Amino acid sequence: NAGVTQTPKFRVLKTGQSMTLLCAQDMNHEYMYWYRQDPGMGLRLIHYSVGEGTTAKGEVPDGYNVSRLKKQNFLLGLESAAPSQTSVYFCASSSNRAHQPQHFGDGTRLSIL
Amino acid sequence: GQQVMQIPQYQHVQEGEDFTTYCNSSTTLSNIQWYKQRPGGHPVFLIQLVKSGEVKKQKRLTFQFGEAKKNSSLHITATQTTDVGTYFCAEHSGAGSYQLTFGKGTKLSVIP
Repeated sequence: NAGVTQTPKFRVLKTGQSMTLLCAQDMNHEYMYWYRQDPGMGLRLIHYSVGEGTTAKGEVPDGYNVSRLKKQNFLLGLESAAPSQTSVYFCASSSNRAHQPQHFGDGTRLSIL
Repeated sequence: GQQVMQIPQYQHVQEGEDFTTYCNSSTTLSNIQWYKQRPGGHPVFLIQLVKSGEVKKQKRLTFQFGEAKKNSSLHITATQTTDVGTYFCAEHSGAGSYQLTFGKGTKLSVIP
């Protein structure tokens, strides 16, 4: 069982470039999430989705877009990368029963020069 | 939105010593979850507490939820080098809420 898979694992971008981070889960979970993790800041929610075709903003959505065209996939896009978006990005998923734990991917380490 | 304050931010202990991290909120929590993140790894779910005054144990780890459901603690007895990592508490903002709000974590270092 793969669980939550994130690609790529590492990426270096130049300011202004765009890219898409892919998250795939094989647990048939309804809910999916994108977080960023910065030193001393814990995990901050960027966007989330409660089902196929739906997305919503989290705590720090600016500069990011997301799409959930298929239940198992949740894409995070950076249209014009900025150095402030240098971070480790985690995807997570959970079932739609109340108060369920979240299952995390291994993360994507993104550097913007 | 609700915030959970976690202390301390860092803790260095000698192997064999005990360790405790605390999670506090100014409002009543519906539940609290604890996660562990090893260095270079991803957060992994440890446990969830729901009931007032609840205490749960996992081997050397003891989790408590306060009577007023405004605080929680994680205590590790006789730390080992395998306990190294960052421990996060997280709370759902309300019944049926999809979102978790994470504390900033306590980074534990164990000196062998």
